[in-house]
Amino acid sequence: QKEVEQNSGPLSVPEGAIASLNCTYSDRGSQSFFWYRQYSGKSPELIMSIYSNGDKEDGRFTAQLNKASQYVSLLIRDSQPSDSATYLCAVNLDTGNQFYFGTGTSLTVIP
Amino acid sequence: DAGVTQSPTHLIKTRGQQVTLRCSPKSGHDTVSWYQQALGQGPQFIFQYYEEEERQRGNFPDRFSGHQFPNYSSELNVNALLLGDSALYLCASSLGAGNYEQYFGPGTRLTVT
Repeated sequence: QKEVEQNSGPLSVPEGAIASLNCTYSDRGSQSFFWYRQYSGKSPELIMSIYSNGDKEDGRFTAQLNKASQYVSLLIRDSQPSDSATYLCAVNLDTGNQFYFGTGTSLTVIP
Repeated sequence: DAGVTQSPTHLIKTRGQQVTLRCSPKSGHDTVSWYQQALGQGPQFIFQYYEEEERQRGNFPDRFSGHQFPNYSSELNVNALLLGDSALYLCASSLGAGNYEQYFGPGTRLTVT
């Protein structure tokens, strides 16, 4: 069983729409959760972190965490073509300092 | 504010050779983690260095070793290279070991022929 799972996509949304990206994790003791954006050929860029249940908003991005369901999501409002990238979910599994990444979801925003 | 830097950008090695990759953390950070990212996959944790010690290690053979220097910079060494070691090697820095935000460098693309 993979520690962190994401739908690989591709996910396509029209410009201006809301993109919804989902991630599930296996360890109930996980404490910290992160979303990274990775453009093709580039390194991951941190866009959101969330540590407690509920929603956290930063500009057009909203991270949602539900520890009971072991689920974390990222909403991107007013999607722009520049948002087209692979989005990686990362989780610290409370076994120390190791971060586990999902395989990423490819998002394409269609102008 | 200087971000995470890595060198070299690209590297081509022959199977069986050894390689050293270098990383300087973001200004103010003291912890360095190394990851391997194969094409189409998420980054896989290799190990983390804090206070010049290896604090945690992922599921990688001991051909992979590292070091952290007093100025917090770090090296990743890989011995007896295999074709399967071809990947993007990423360094991430953070302030303190544990559940903290990690910031990635641009990576080193290693090709083993």
